[in-house]
Amino acid sequence: EAQVTQNPRYLITVTGKKLTVTCSQNMNHEYMSWYRQDPGLGLRQIYYSMNVEVTDKGDVPEGYKVSRKEKRNFPLILESPSPNQTSLYFCASSFGQGAHEQYFGPGTRLTVT
Amino acid sequence: SQKIEQNSEALNIQEGKTATLTCNYTNYSPAYLQWYRQDPGRGPVFLLLIRENEKEKRKERLKVTFDTTLKQSLFHITASQPADSATYLCALDFYNQGGKLIFGQGTELSVKP
Repeated sequence: EAQVTQNPRYLITVTGKKLTVTCSQNMNHEYMSWYRQDPGLGLRQIYYSMNVEVTDKGDVPEGYKVSRKEKRNFPLILESPSPNQTSLYFCASSFGQGAHEQYFGPGTRLTVT
Repeated sequence: SQKIEQNSEALNIQEGKTATLTCNYTNYSPAYLQWYRQDPGRGPVFLLLIRENEKEKRKERLKVTFDTTLKQSLFHITASQPADSATYLCALDFYNQGGKLIFGQGTELSVKP
């Protein structure tokens, strides 16, 4: 089954404790991205990757890191989480940019206390 | 910067009626416009894509129009059903944003039996 998986689905952590949210897709997609969704602000792109070893900042990259060592995986790293990073996070993938539908993962609800 | 506006208030309609959702944008015209459906706590799911040179696109009970003069897209669901209740997001791919997809905040649709 074609899908995007994220882990963990729920995470409660404390300020400053490094964490990684994994994202994996099995559709051989080149383009992957991370979004955060907050009430009243909608979906905002954090980082995106057009292919292996190619990443770029989205609209809200501060406090996040990503890597794309393999085509299927695109982990999101929070080196020192803060409470303002409490949010619902989505990973997405597509064949490319532009005229391609994005496939979204099920989401990771992160709470930083 | 680009702004995308969707009806901020929830749309409540009766089953069987046509729901019409609006997506307005400012400044530059997008190359592509996509519509997604999002259910509570879940990732968005792709519905339709329309290109800038297309006026209308249909898929079953769904219809999307794209007016680059008005800088507006309309999303219609005909013969609406309670199962259509969800939040609908428009997403725009602008040429001058490096192909990045920018999402609107979404409109919540509620279809009453």
